[in-house]
Amino acid sequence: QSVLTQPPSASGTPGQRVSISCSGSMSSIGSNYVYWYQQLPGTAPKLLIYRSNQRPSGVPDRFSGSKSGTSASLAITGLRSEDEADYYCATWDDSLSGPVFGGGTQLTVL
Amino acid sequence: EVQLVESGGGLVKPGGSLRVSCAASGFTFNTYTMNWVRQAPGKGLEWVSSISSSSSYIYYADSVKGRFTISRDNAKNSLYLQMNSLRVEDTAVYYCARLGEGGSGTDPYFDPWGQGTLVIVSS
Repeated sequence: QSVLTQPPSASGTPGQRVSISCSGSMSSIGSNYVYWYQQLPGTAPKLLIYRSNQRPSGVPDRFSGSKSGTSASLAITGLRSEDEADYYCATWDDSLSGPVFGGGTQLTVL
Repeated sequence: EVQLVESGGGLVKPGGSLRVSCAASGFTFNTYTMNWVRQAPGKGLEWVSSISSSSSYIYYADSVKGRFTISRDNAKNSLYLQMNSLRVEDTAVYYCARLGEGGSGTDPYFDPWGQGTLVIVSS
């Protein structure tokens, strides 16, 4: 059971907008930045969003992050086949005194 | 180009030991906090341990505390994870990951990641 709750799966068709949620608590998301990682099949995770809503250079602006209260979201607009991957949210948890990840969301592009 | 290359994974029996390594290049290794994150087969990501640039601050997940030891050799641009008293549930791909630019030591701000090394604990 992960500290952060994500839907196990999400899907969309090319060109669509998809949103992936990440639910936590006051001691986790409510008090800290959220990070998002993309893991393409058979590869290492890659940083997608840092400090809740910042994109590293090289990440398309189709990807955006937001945070409100104890929840965060990753939005992908103009969905493409190459976006098919697992997506993980992460944050620091003050109660556990350590970084925690969500269980991951498998995104399928139909 | 920033690069992290893990090595040392393999098959080990329960109760055994193994040391995995991570060779860093393309950045000033001795100025960055480094981390180990693992992923069990078909499962999600789990932070394992972190070590500050000068090894002054070291943290472990409860699941490995007392069994794993993180260390680094800044002269060799290398990060290590010594794993003792291994359990079947330690079976995973172990990734080393650098703290992202401008990040604080406690944030799960991992950028970049290595390709990982597989550790299998089985009798």
